[in-house]
Amino acid sequence: DSGVTQTPKHLITATGQRVTLRCSPRSGDLSVYWYQQSLDQGLQFLIQYYNGEERAKGNILERFSAQQFPDLHSELNLSSLELGDSALYFCASSVSGGGSYNEQFFGPGTRLTVL
Amino acid sequence: AQTVTQSQPEMSVQEAETVTLSCTYDTSESNYYLFWYKQPPSRQMILVIRQEAYKQQNATENRFSVNFQKAAKSFSLKISDSQLGDTAMYFCAFMKYNFGNEKLTFGTGTRLTIIP
Repeated sequence: DSGVTQTPKHLITATGQRVTLRCSPRSGDLSVYWYQQSLDQGLQFLIQYYNGEERAKGNILERFSAQQFPDLHSELNLSSLELGDSALYFCASSVSGGGSYNEQFFGPGTRLTVL
Repeated sequence: AQTVTQSQPEMSVQEAETVTLSCTYDTSESNYYLFWYKQPPSRQMILVIRQEAYKQQNATENRFSVNFQKAAKSFSLKISDSQLGDTAMYFCAFMKYNFGNEKLTFGTGTRLTIIP
């Protein structure tokens, strides 16, 4: 158990819908990262938040957005869903910001299926 | 931008044998980290081993060791005395040394099967 929690574990929805994935980082971790793992794109970085602020953006679609709340949990919002958005979405957290290496701890992932 | 290439989509080896997984990367950075992650059928991402680019000594964690060739931009993983529990997808990953921004760039993975 990494200490990172993600809900829900599984999500099945229809094209055109909107969903929200939730992540709670390890206690004390300030950074949250979102990654997408799909058959087509492999494992790719989407976005990072550090202490409530967006820190880095990767290959995140405009239909996707994220935020990190004052209690440091994060939500990834996916809208106007398409079949190709079906994937495993990971959240990871790290202490971050210390000027040295900080390990990222991965949550168990949310499996999104778009029908 | 950094790229990570794993040229072996699948490998299999007999239990107790040694196997080496290959990874090459491309970057113009001088300070960075390299990783091997394991993803078993449970889908959990597990860090296996880490290498700092500024360190010449190859990292070792029990049965897992790396061969880091910085000039060649090569980073292979050796698993000794392989066990059934080593069956998993293995991802090579790159992280640029960057204060407060530690995104990982992954390769496409190698599916390793340990045969009893």
